[in-house]
Amino acid sequence: ETGVTQTPRHLVMGMTNKKSLKCEQHLGHNAMYWYKQSAKKPLELMFVYNFKEQTENNSVPSRFSPECPNSSHLFLHLHTLQPEDSALYLCASKTGLADTDTQYFGPGTRLTVL
Amino acid sequence: GQNIDQPTEMTATEGAIVQINCTYQTSGFNGLFWYQQHAGEAPTFLSYNVLDGLEEKGRFSSFLSRSKGYSYLLLKELQMKDSASYLCAVVDSNYQLIWGAGTKLIIKP
Repeated sequence: ETGVTQTPRHLVMGMTNKKSLKCEQHLGHNAMYWYKQSAKKPLELMFVYNFKEQTENNSVPSRFSPECPNSSHLFLHLHTLQPEDSALYLCASKTGLADTDTQYFGPGTRLTVL
Repeated sequence: GQNIDQPTEMTATEGAIVQINCTYQTSGFNGLFWYQQHAGEAPTFLSYNVLDGLEEKGRFSSFLSRSKGYSYLLLKELQMKDSASYLCAVVDSNYQLIWGAGTKLIIKP
């Protein structure tokens, strides 16, 4: 238990569906991250939020839409995804943006796009 | 460009020692992390090195040479539960984490 939870753990969706991934951290951190993890590839940073403000959008397609209503919650809204978007989506949090503290990860959502 | 290299997969025997190497080329350096990730689970922190040398933590040790752009993770007295992926990540000059693709470690009895 890392203090970061993600729901759902598994998601199967069609290309025309709309779904949302949820992340919640109970660590009092200010920075939150969305990553995409594909087999045998490095973690791909998607979005970064610091104090609820988006500070990084790593050229992510608009079919992925993040939302951060407060420092404890982070969402990733999905619509009209492609099969190549199938991956493990990991949420992480850290004390602050510009420091070398460790990131704490949630267990991830395994997404399959049919 | 920024690059982290680590072996894709390694196999070792229970009770033995294994060394997982990581080489990096990044814009700036503010430290190097090692994480462990069991299949289907979250990556979890193992170690952080920012100064040259060896840091020992129980059965696990991590080494850093900044001049060579090189680190290794040393696992001793291997146990079956050590079967996992080991991720190397470097903090660059903007405090962004640059990740390697991970090394899958398979432990055999």
